[in-house]
Amino acid sequence: QKEVEQDPGPLSVPEGAIVSLNCTYSNSAFQYFMWYRQYSRKGPELLMYTYSSGNKEDGRFTAQVDKSSKYISLFIRDSQPSDSATYLCAFRRPGGTSYGKLTFGQGTILTVHP
Amino acid sequence: GAVVSQHPSRVICKSGTSVKIECRSLDFQATTMFWYRQFPKQSLMLMATSNEGSKATYEQGVEKDKFLINHASLTLSTLTVTSAHPEDSSFYICSESGGGTDTQYFGPGTRLTVL
Repeated sequence: QKEVEQDPGPLSVPEGAIVSLNCTYSNSAFQYFMWYRQYSRKGPELLMYTYSSGNKEDGRFTAQVDKSSKYISLFIRDSQPSDSATYLCAFRRPGGTSYGKLTFGQGTILTVHP
Repeated sequence: GAVVSQHPSRVICKSGTSVKIECRSLDFQATTMFWYRQFPKQSLMLMATSNEGSKATYEQGVEKDKFLINHASLTLSTLTVTSAHPEDSSFYICSESGGGTDTQYFGPGTRLTVL
């Protein structure tokens, strides 16, 4: 079983739609939960990060974490064509020799069409 | 967040040559940097952890003699792909934690093409 599962998509939505991106994970020791956005041929850009269950909102983005179900989500409201990118969930590994290291999902390709 | 730069952004080389990629932390003193590799339409795979003033630690399956990492200062880590082959063609990305340990900030990446 993979440590992280993320639906690769592709996901295509009309402008203004609400987008839901999801990841499940199996390692209960993961401590921090992140979402990155990656445009084609660019490095990932940090969008959101949190360490507790619940919701965290930043503008049009809401990150949701459910530790009991080992499930995280990213919601994008009022999606724009500029949101078209690959979205990666990421998890910080537990300490020891893995301290600070991240494990990534496979990425979901999102296209928002006008 | 932290600002990380990489140089070059793109490099094309012949098989058998060595290529050096630089990763610079522009606004933090980074004692630890990470190197990732990303193949087309795939996610990021951690290659190694670069530690300032000491040896890098490599992930399982990554050849340390092929991917040489040097972290001689708090703002610069280099990755040298030695005797590159076409299967080494990939997108190489570095990151650093911006002075904390909660998350990481990534450079813009270097696209390596080995002919």
